Amino acid sequence: EAQVTQNPRYLITVTGKKLTVTCSQNMNHEYMSWYRQDPGLGLRQIYYSMNVEVTDKGDVPEGYKVSRKEKRNFPLILESPSPNQTSLYFCASSPLTGTGRDKETQYFGPGTRLLVL
Amino acid sequence: GDSVTQMEGPVTLSEEAFLTINCTYTATGYPSLFWYVQYPGEGLQLLLKATKADDKGSNKGFEATYRKETTSFHLEKGSVQVSDSAVYFCALSSTTSGTYKYIFGTGTRLKVLA
Repeated sequence: EAQVTQNPRYLITVTGKKLTVTCSQNMNHEYMSWYRQDPGLGLRQIYYSMNVEVTDKGDVPEGYKVSRKEKRNFPLILESPSPNQTSLYFCASSPLTGTGRDKETQYFGPGTRLLVL
Repeated sequence: GDSVTQMEGPVTLSEEAFLTINCTYTATGYPSLFWYVQYPGEGLQLLLKATKADDKGSNKGFEATYRKETTSFHLEKGSVQVSDSAVYFCALSSTTSGTYKYIFGTGTRLKVLA
């Protein structure tokens, strides 16, 4: 089954304790991205990657890191989490090439709910 | 920078009512436009999209037309069902100066009553 998986789905942590949220896709998509969803603010893009070893900042990259060492994986790293990073996080992937309905369509993971105390 | 503005919710309708959710955008270049839907407890999924001016996207009875002259992409459905209750997001892909960002609106919650 074609899908984007994220782990963990729920996480409670404390300020300053480094954490990683994993994201993996099995659709051979070039493009991967991380978003955070907050009430009243919609989805905001944190980082994205157009291919292996190519990453770029979205609109809210502060406090986050990413890496893209393999095409299928795109982990999100919070080196020193703070309470303002409490949010619902989504990973997504998308093909950049090809024709038809799939091109530029993002496929989202189920989300990771993070609480930073 | 590029942006998406959509009407605030919640929108509450009776079953079989007509739905419109407004979406306008600001963008340089020629973005693709999208509507995504989020059901409770789930990730977003594509509802429909349009890639150039005057294109109409449609799916599951929903429609939206890419209007470049009014920079709009309003979502419509002729007769909503209880199962359409969800949060709807308008979005665009912004591809300028070598970047490839997606910009989302704030979302509109729809509640359909039986």
